[in-house]
Amino acid sequence: DSGVTQTPKHLITATGQRVTLRCSPRSGDLSVYWYQQSLDQGLQFLIQYYNGEERAKGNILERFSAQQFPDLHSELNLSSLELGDSALYFCASKLQGALTGYTFGSGTRLTVV
Amino acid sequence: DQQVKQNSPSLSVQEGRISILNCDYTNSMFDYFLWYKKYPAEGPTFLISISSIKDKNEDGRFTVFLNKSAKHLSLHIVPSQPGDSAVYFCAASLQNSGYSTLTFGKGTMLLVSP
Repeated sequence: DSGVTQTPKHLITATGQRVTLRCSPRSGDLSVYWYQQSLDQGLQFLIQYYNGEERAKGNILERFSAQQFPDLHSELNLSSLELGDSALYFCASKLQGALTGYTFGSGTRLTVV
Repeated sequence: DQQVKQNSPSLSVQEGRISILNCDYTNSMFDYFLWYKKYPAEGPTFLISISSIKDKNEDGRFTVFLNKSAKHLSLHIVPSQPGDSAVYFCAASLQNSGYSTLTFGKGTMLLVSP
């Protein structure tokens, strides 16, 4: 157990629908990062939050949004889903200034049918 | 444009031999590099890292080498064990006020056979 909790583990939904992925970071970590891993792709950075504020944006589609709540958990909202959104979505957390990299959750596998 | 490239999708090695996984990057501003290991149905786990001020970092069976002039790093695993079979991701970052994000390669699947 890495200490980063992601729910649900699996999600199957239809095109056009909206889903919410949830992440609880490791205790004490203020930064949360969301990554997408599609087939044949590496881990693509989506967005980062630090203590409730958005800090950096990567290749995140306009149909996607995220937020980090006062208790530091984060949610990634995916709307108007398309088949190509099927992927593994990982959340990671990090202690500020730590050079040991992120701690990842086990991911949410989203399948859009 | 892919800033971190792992050109070998897969690598097969016999147990006890050396595994060498390679990674190239294009952004000369990257100043910190990491390797992650990923088993199926799990998230990536941190393996080893190296700062751009060094050219080698060793941790047990794992050694990372950095060649800044060539913008190339490699991960050596000696001796390789069947439990090392996993996908290995190379990642790079800009250490910027501690909010740095990691840029990952596509990964190399290592298979260590007994």
